[in-house]
Amino acid sequence: AQSVSQHNHHVILSEAASLELGCNYSYGGTVNLFWYVQYPGQHLQLLLKYFSEDPLVKGIKGFEAEFIKSKFSFNLRKPSVQWSDTAEYFCAVNARGYGGSQGNLIFGKGTKLSVKP
Amino acid sequence: NAGVTQTPKFRILKIGQSMTLQCTQDMNHNYMYWYRQDPGMGLKLIYYSVGAGITDKGEVPNGYNVSRSTTEDFPLRLELAAPSQTSVYFCASSAVSNTEAFFGQGTRLTVV
Repeated sequence: AQSVSQHNHHVILSEAASLELGCNYSYGGTVNLFWYVQYPGQHLQLLLKYFSEDPLVKGIKGFEAEFIKSKFSFNLRKPSVQWSDTAEYFCAVNARGYGGSQGNLIFGKGTKLSVKP
Repeated sequence: NAGVTQTPKFRILKIGQSMTLQCTQDMNHNYMYWYRQDPGMGLKLIYYSVGAGITDKGEVPNGYNVSRSTTEDFPLRLELAAPSQTSVYFCASSAVSNTEAFFGQGTRLTVV
């Protein structure tokens, strides 16, 4: 079965610090990968997605992620975080052609990011 | 440009009561999903639908039912509420499989 692991439960950074959130998935075939963000009290919004193009994906608000197939990883990065980036971040994977829940996104458990002003 | 709309936003139920969480989308998406979100556990798929009249179980379907009579609507039914169903419920939709999902604002349900 597919699974997604996010390594950090809670990350605390000061403004202007660099961010990297880890994400690993387990599936040997072709995948689509996503990072979603959930601001406090809000719904999930898409940050960026990987659909088999350039492995370095640019998203909104200065976020980017790199797909490394050999490592089954899709880590999220941002060079300089802001207080407004305080949120919970979810990595998700959808395996193409995977039997079972069609179009189903498998989510990691999430990483809470707290940015101190 | 509403996207995915869920109602209600908050609800408190007593054990054994029933209720329906409403979800509607105006993007003409074929795929719709119900997830529950519990602290530290990410999102778990309850049920999904690939089109009107077609539904299937996800990872945690017990205690829930769904129907999909139209493309727009995908209600989630709790028949006998239990404390274990206290959670935040998100409805989502996508155009086709393997594409990004759009989420509603969520319903925070407490069963006491």
